[in-house]
Amino acid sequence: ETGVTQSPTHLIKTRGQQVTLRCSSQSGHNTVSWYQQALGQGPQFIFQYYREEENGRGNFPPRFSGLQFPNYSSELNVNALELDDSALYLCASSTTRLEETQYFGPGTRLLVL
Amino acid sequence: AQKITQTQPGMFVQEKEAVTLDCTYDTSDPSYGLFWYKQPSSGEMIFLIYQGSYDQQNATEGRYSLNFQKARKSANLVISASQLGDSAMYFCAMREAKMIKAAGNKLTFGGGTRVLVKP
Repeated sequence: ETGVTQSPTHLIKTRGQQVTLRCSSQSGHNTVSWYQQALGQGPQFIFQYYREEENGRGNFPPRFSGLQFPNYSSELNVNALELDDSALYLCASSTTRLEETQYFGPGTRLLVL
Repeated sequence: AQKITQTQPGMFVQEKEAVTLDCTYDTSDPSYGLFWYKQPSSGEMIFLIYQGSYDQQNATEGRYSLNFQKARKSANLVISASQLGDSAMYFCAMREAKMIKAAGNKLTFGGGTRVLVKP
């Protein structure tokens, strides 16, 4: 059973640019969630994809968008990057069962200059 | 209002001693799950333990146990026999059943507690 993987591990962008982060789900999981974790804070829910459709969204602007592919892998796209977008971006895969944990990837550290 | 509150920003614990990390939560949903995660400096969230709102007994997983007091809405994590490798950030998180249809089965996290184990 393979775990959740994310790429790239680190990324440096400048303000105004666009970025795409990638995530491969754990085998057997049909749900992918994305979280943003600013330095020194807990993760904040960005959105979730279930069977290739957005299935819930946190308090993030539309310039944060995503995709889920038939193999359940996922992308997070952020347009018009701002300095405050600098954070650790975590991807988590799961089933939809309440009692089951979400399995997290190692994250992508994004720095916006 | 904060849904998950962790009031201890940081704690020192002596190796081999036990430590309790506090977590209080706020929800009106009768069906919810509570999770604890460990986050080392590498960044990955590692699942430690789960407690369901209808579970009659406190959850235990090896050296981790959860002190679940439903009426007080608290779910404290106890780590027994601390080891140097336990030094990390610890996050309490909640998933509410009513949110599954409305906004996906997202996790709501607290602000975390940093634990440093001293030799």
